[in-house]
Amino acid sequence: NAGVTQTPKFQVLKTGQSMTLQCAQDMNHEYMSWYRQDPGMGLRLIHYSVGAGITDQGEVPNGYNVSRSTTEDFPLRLLSAAPSQTSVYFCASSYSMSQAVYGYTFGSGTRLTVV
Amino acid sequence: KQEVTQIPAALSVPEGENLVLNCSFTDSAIYNLQWFRQDPGKGLTSLLLIQSSQREQTSGRLNASLDKSSGRSTLYIAASQPGDSATYLCALKGGNKLVFGAGTILRVKS
Repeated sequence: NAGVTQTPKFQVLKTGQSMTLQCAQDMNHEYMSWYRQDPGMGLRLIHYSVGAGITDQGEVPNGYNVSRSTTEDFPLRLLSAAPSQTSVYFCASSYSMSQAVYGYTFGSGTRLTVV
Repeated sequence: KQEVTQIPAALSVPEGENLVLNCSFTDSAIYNLQWFRQDPGKGLTSLLLIQSSQREQTSGRLNASLDKSSGRSTLYIAASQPGDSATYLCALKGGNKLVFGAGTILRVKS
């Protein structure tokens, strides 16, 4: 099924550990992005990419790295996990960042707990 | 800076009622507005997308309207069912991201 696939669905990390959250889409979308969802804070943009080889920071980029070597994949790396990074992470993609006709498709999320 | 407000924060209705969820925003310079549904512990499912040049969109029992001049959108759900229970989020596409409201938690009682 066409869509956005995120792995893993659940993860528990110890403070200081690193890990990569995977995101893949098979819709040939140019634009991909990572959001985190926290109670009372809504969804906030971490990083985004408008195409292979191009990435930029969102509202809350500290502690996270991204890369976009292919159109399909947009992994999110936590360099040294902190309890403040406990959250639900969503990957989202779209054909275009600026054209009104295109909406966003979201993955099912990764629930991350840092202890 | 775009700010999005959803009212009410929570709503509980008996099955069969028609209901309206509200979304207001401060900056009308948007590409489109999208309504999403989120079930507990799940991802976001797109319900309706209204382009900035459009006034409304319909899908089944759902109808969404957009009034950029007043900074408002409404999601109308006809003949509500227990399966409609979820959190409903509106999101505005502008610049490099979606800006989300905090959501309306809907409970439809059987």
